[in-house]
Amino acid sequence: DTGVSQDPRHKITKRGQNVTFRCDPISEHNRLYWYRQTLGQGPEFLTYFQNEAQLEKSRLLSDRFSAERPKGSFSTLEIQRTEQGDSAMYLCASSVAGSRSYNEQFFGPGTRLTVL
Amino acid sequence: KNEVEQSPQNLTAQEGEFITINCSYSVGISALHWLQQHPGGGIVSLFMLSSGKKKHGRLIATINIQEKHSSLHITASHPRDSAVYICAVRFNTDKLIFGTGTRLQVFP
Repeated sequence: DTGVSQDPRHKITKRGQNVTFRCDPISEHNRLYWYRQTLGQGPEFLTYFQNEAQLEKSRLLSDRFSAERPKGSFSTLEIQRTEQGDSAMYLCASSVAGSRSYNEQFFGPGTRLTVL
Repeated sequence: KNEVEQSPQNLTAQEGEFITINCSYSVGISALHWLQQHPGGGIVSLFMLSSGKKKHGRLIATINIQEKHSSLHITASHPRDSAVYICAVRFNTDKLIFGTGTRLQVFP
């Protein structure tokens, strides 16, 4: 397994368009997280899944954002009617949830979105 | 409000210098992570701590739970250590709350 992968790595779109990003976690990892990072800032939590279930969503995740993990493996993050403020790096991470509470997260390379 | 603060924001060093980056947080945590981010965005996990001290090569991470403070040390720094170092914590859920990062530049 080569780790967490994300596709595409870069996306340039015009304001108002819809975009979809994909994340493939490490194969045995049942937890998957989405974060957003704007220039010069640390990442911010968006949402996370355990298997297919979306367990938590940030208030940052407006109704234009939707995330799915339909079969408990890969996940998609869709942004509808993109705005210039959505320009950021979108990071995906995965981990194994077990009996221990200290679950290390492994990050993908990110998808850099630019909204013109 | 959960908060994670890092210092300094920017750090410049000469090759060979000992580096310390600090992280403090506001309430009790279940774990603290130190992460490294290179230009282009990829994030690599360096350490995950819940107590004490961990060492990996030239990197050392410590945490003081009572003082709600952690430090990342780099011994014998090298230009390839130049990156952004990010502290992140887990409170009562599994999501990470990140600091804003410390940008380190090591010059030869």
